[in-house]
Amino acid sequence: DGGITQSPKYLFRKEGQNVTLSCEQNLNHDAMYWYRQDPGQGLRLIYYSQIVNDFQKGDIAEGYSVSREKKESFPLTVTSAQKNPTAFYLCASSLLGTGGHGYGYTFGSGTRLTVV
Amino acid sequence: DQQVKQNSPSLSVQEGRISILNCDYTNSMFDYFLWYKKYPAEGPTFLISISSIKDKNEDGRFTVFLNKSAKHLSLHIVPSQPGDSAVYFCAASAFIRSYTGNQFYFGTGTSLTVIP
Repeated sequence: DGGITQSPKYLFRKEGQNVTLSCEQNLNHDAMYWYRQDPGQGLRLIYYSQIVNDFQKGDIAEGYSVSREKKESFPLTVTSAQKNPTAFYLCASSLLGTGGHGYGYTFGSGTRLTVV
Repeated sequence: DQQVKQNSPSLSVQEGRISILNCDYTNSMFDYFLWYKKYPAEGPTFLISISSIKDKNEDGRFTVFLNKSAKHLSLHIVPSQPGDSAVYFCAASAFIRSYTGNQFYFGTGTSLTVIP
């Protein structure tokens, strides 16, 4: 079955450490996205990538980094520069240039990151 | 600046009655709208969509209404069931006629509780 997989589901990080969240999709989608969800804040865009080896900052990119070396993979690194990293992180993917919007994004099941 | 707004953070409805979730947007270029449903610790899943060429779209118990002049859309769930209890996000997009595709903007979500 095609889908988008995020791992791990729960992640604990000590202050000052970098940590990488994995996102893999086998939907052959062109674009991939990282969102952060905080209570009462909805979904805020961190980074997105529309083609391999290219990515753009979203609304809250500070303290995060990404790479897109393969179409299927879009890992997110939460660096020690991110002041408040405890949140629920969602990865998504979508097709581009379809002539229509289809179903929008397909989301992964999320990673809950907690700083201890 | 929040381009998509859901002004009611929560809503409680009796089982069997109608649930109405509201969403407002500010960008007149938005021409495609979706509703997502999200359970705790899971990624959002697509529920229903509507294009700006329509003012209504139905799928079973779910109906989305679009009022372009008011920049307002609403999701009606009839009859409401306890399994509908979740957070509902509306999302909007302006289709860009290029390879760069479309980016969706999300509201902050409304938490629906259906009381048995």
